[in-house]
Amino acid sequence: DAGVTQSPTHLIKTRGQQVTLRCSPKSGHDTVSWYQQALGQGPQFIFQYYEEEERQRGNFPDRFSGHQFPNYSSELNVNALLLGDSALYLCASSWNGALHSGANVLTFGAGSRLTVL
Amino acid sequence: QKEVEQNSGPLSVPEGAIASLNCTYSDRGSQSFFWYRQYSGKSPELIMSIYSNGDKEDGRFTAQLNKASQYVSLLIRDSQPSDSATYLCAVNMKNSGYSTLTFGKGTMLLVSP
Repeated sequence: DAGVTQSPTHLIKTRGQQVTLRCSPKSGHDTVSWYQQALGQGPQFIFQYYEEEERQRGNFPDRFSGHQFPNYSSELNVNALLLGDSALYLCASSWNGALHSGANVLTFGAGSRLTVL
Repeated sequence: QKEVEQNSGPLSVPEGAIASLNCTYSDRGSQSFFWYRQYSGKSPELIMSIYSNGDKEDGRFTAQLNKASQYVSLLIRDSQPSDSATYLCAVNMKNSGYSTLTFGKGTMLLVSP
């Protein structure tokens, strides 16, 4: 049973460029959340997608956008990259039924490490 | 601002000792609490979840929850060098009716042989 898969694993961009990160959720999961983890910090919630819509967003600027596809996979796009966007980007999937019960157990992918030069 | 607070450490313990990791949270309405372990350069992995006041044991790990004090802790008995990692406390908080996990900054645990 495949877990959460993310691509690419590593990438290097320069300031001002745009990046797209991809995520396939664990089988049976229908909700995708994206987190940003800077070095030495805990994961910070970016946004959550369910039924192809963004239904919850953290304190991140509009440069961060996303999409969810009918097969539940998701993309995270970041425009006009800044040096401060360098981080590990984590995709986490869960089952919406668990969210309503409060269980909300997230399964994380291995992450995409973005370096902005 | 709904927050989760952890001591960043590092917490250093000798092999075989008990490691005690602590976490406080600001949202009184929180119902679900999780501990994730994160090895350097890797993604977080779930090790414990707790939903009710009291203790929950799983092998060498015990999670403790006190909702009145807004406090959750993780005890690791018979600590091993392989337990050396950053431990992230996560709390399920409701915003606009939807639940999201809010993480603390993590506590680094170092277990020396």
